[in-house]
Amino acid sequence: DQQVKQNSPSLSVQEGRISILNCDYTNSMFDYFLWYKKYPAEGPTFLISISSIKDKNEDGRFTVFLNKSAKHLSLHIVPSQPGDSAVYFCAAPVGHNAGNMLTFGGGTRLMVKP
Amino acid sequence: ETGVTQSPTHLIKTRGQQVTLRCSSQSGHNTVSWYQQALGQGPQFIFQYYREEENGRGNFPPRFSGLQFPNYSSELNVNALELDDSALYLCASSYPGTVNTEAFFGQGTRLTVV
Repeated sequence: DQQVKQNSPSLSVQEGRISILNCDYTNSMFDYFLWYKKYPAEGPTFLISISSIKDKNEDGRFTVFLNKSAKHLSLHIVPSQPGDSAVYFCAAPVGHNAGNMLTFGGGTRLMVKP
Repeated sequence: ETGVTQSPTHLIKTRGQQVTLRCSSQSGHNTVSWYQQALGQGPQFIFQYYREEENGRGNFPPRFSGLQFPNYSSELNVNALELDDSALYLCASSYPGTVNTEAFFGQGTRLTVV
């Protein structure tokens, strides 16, 4: 039973426009969420995170929004750049103080066209 | 500061064989987790090691086992390989001490079972 889901396997946007990647979760006990980015032949790299006590966290071009009532989070990239083309995973720790016991969504492949 | 390194990068094994994958954690990180990423899916948590002891386990059979050494490096062993074990195996290290810390991933080992 997948506790974190990314229902869009791929997304294509034009350079300079906004990219919105979505993630849904089922476990209301999750209190922390992370986004990772993965390029081919590389391991995932941490991008941004959010605690459940917040509904928004911003880091440069990247903003994550959390809607706890809907059990939904989204990653906004503005403006999108060709170098952002990668697979994006949302993830949540499966236990307290378990930053490295993560359950991942299936990923969304973002393609940013020049 | 060195990052997480994994060896080998690619490996081909025959069904029924055994395999050992290796991981050197990032400097100062004493927690190592292993993940399996099948094609087109997100990484799935296999297990975590902390101070040389297994500290958590995902939904994987006992033929998946591991070790952590005093220098915090780690091995993943898989016995009686099956075709479905073909995947990218990712190692991630982190340092517990805060409530949530992000995990740092290696580039992975691509295992093909034929």
